[in-house]
Amino acid sequence: AQTVTQSQPEMSVQEAETVTLSCTYDTSESDYYLFWYKQPPSRQMILVIRQEAYKQQNATENRFSVNFQKAAKSFSLKISDSQLGDAAMYFCARETSGSRLTFGEGTQLTVNP
Amino acid sequence: DAGITQSPRHKVTETGTPVTLRCHQTENHRYMYWYRQDPGHGLRLIHYSYGVKDTDKGEVSDGYSVSRSKTEDFLLTLESATSSQTSVYFCAISEISGDTGELFFGEGSRLTVL
Repeated sequence: AQTVTQSQPEMSVQEAETVTLSCTYDTSESDYYLFWYKQPPSRQMILVIRQEAYKQQNATENRFSVNFQKAAKSFSLKISDSQLGDAAMYFCARETSGSRLTFGEGTQLTVNP
Repeated sequence: DAGITQSPRHKVTETGTPVTLRCHQTENHRYMYWYRQDPGHGLRLIHYSYGVKDTDKGEVSDGYSVSRSKTEDFLLTLESATSSQTSVYFCAISEISGDTGELFFGEGSRLTVL
């Protein structure tokens, strides 16, 4: 089975600092999408950022950016200037055919004031 | 926000009883999905649909069936619930527009099987 692995079950960061969440995946495809979703305590799944595999430029959305290493099949999420509202479970996901997503196990991020 | 409604939002039932979860969308999106979320496993795909009456299995489909008789509704049925099906169930929708592959999620349904 093609998998997505998040090796950090829990991470913590001080408010205003930077944190990086790791994600690796496997795939036999050359063109695909990668995503980071955020799940706060409300349980709602919220898209944070997405990356198209054929694009070499790393995606950026305000304080959120990715480090996409296609050859290494690595897709990490960097959160700059962390805020209390960033505390959540973060899921990395890879697209498969038919717009299905395969998710990692999740990383619980705590932001300390 | 995508118009996705899941019902019921919470349900407690007993082993062996049938359970149906409903997902209703107002976006007219073609693709609909049922995922389950369990600690340590992330979200795993149960079944998905790529059109009315067109459905297929995901990675954890055993014990579940689905139906889609209308574009807007996707039903997930547990014919005989077991304790291992205690989980949070998420419905998601997608319209492959520009091949973005983005999924929009409902708010989840928490099912407890005693």
